[in-house]
Amino acid sequence: RKEVEQDPGPFNVPEGATVAFNCTYSNSASQSFFWYRQDCRKEPKLLMSVYSSGNEDGRFTAQLNRASQYISLLIRDSKLSDSATYLCVVNNFNKFYFGSGTKLNVKP
Amino acid sequence: EADIYQTPRYLVIGTGKKITLECSQTMGHDKMYWYQQDPGMELHLIHYSYGVNSTEKGDLSSESTVSRIRTEHFPLTLESARPSHTSQYLCASSDWETNYGYTFGSGTRLTVV
Repeated sequence: RKEVEQDPGPFNVPEGATVAFNCTYSNSASQSFFWYRQDCRKEPKLLMSVYSSGNEDGRFTAQLNRASQYISLLIRDSKLSDSATYLCVVNNFNKFYFGSGTKLNVKP
Repeated sequence: EADIYQTPRYLVIGTGKKITLECSQTMGHDKMYWYQQDPGMELHLIHYSYGVNSTEKGDLSSESTVSRIRTEHFPLTLESARPSHTSQYLCASSDWETNYGYTFGSGTRLTVV
């Protein structure tokens, strides 16, 4: 079983839509969680960390559910520039595990 | 402004050549990593290091080797390049405080012909 699982998508949404991604992780002892964004042929870049109480950064909201072992990312008012692959990342004892990514296409 | 640097950005090389991909970071991070990623595919960890003179193989078997003689430098070497090594190689680093995640370099896109 993979450490981190994500729906690969693609999610095709119109501009202005709200879209949500989920990610599940297998190790209940995982310590820290992140969402990364990767544009085509570029390196992944940290989008936001995910805290137990949930956290928001502008149009982006991340939540963690330890009981069910999943994290989520909500994007409100989608922009064309949000089109990218979103990677879920989980840290277990100093090793980072990456999901395979969820592709988002925001259309005009 | 990047704090982790990879060179070269692109490399096209013939089969059988020895190559070294460079990775340097200026953040004083102890932990450094090499990932391999094919276009549209997931990242695979091939090597990591938790400090000077520490190197470990990752989850994906690789014919490459690494060294960590200085904290800031983590080069990856292929003794004899083959077309199957064609891929993007991403270097990353992180602090011991794992709440801050990784910082990635911009990658080396390797093509072996």
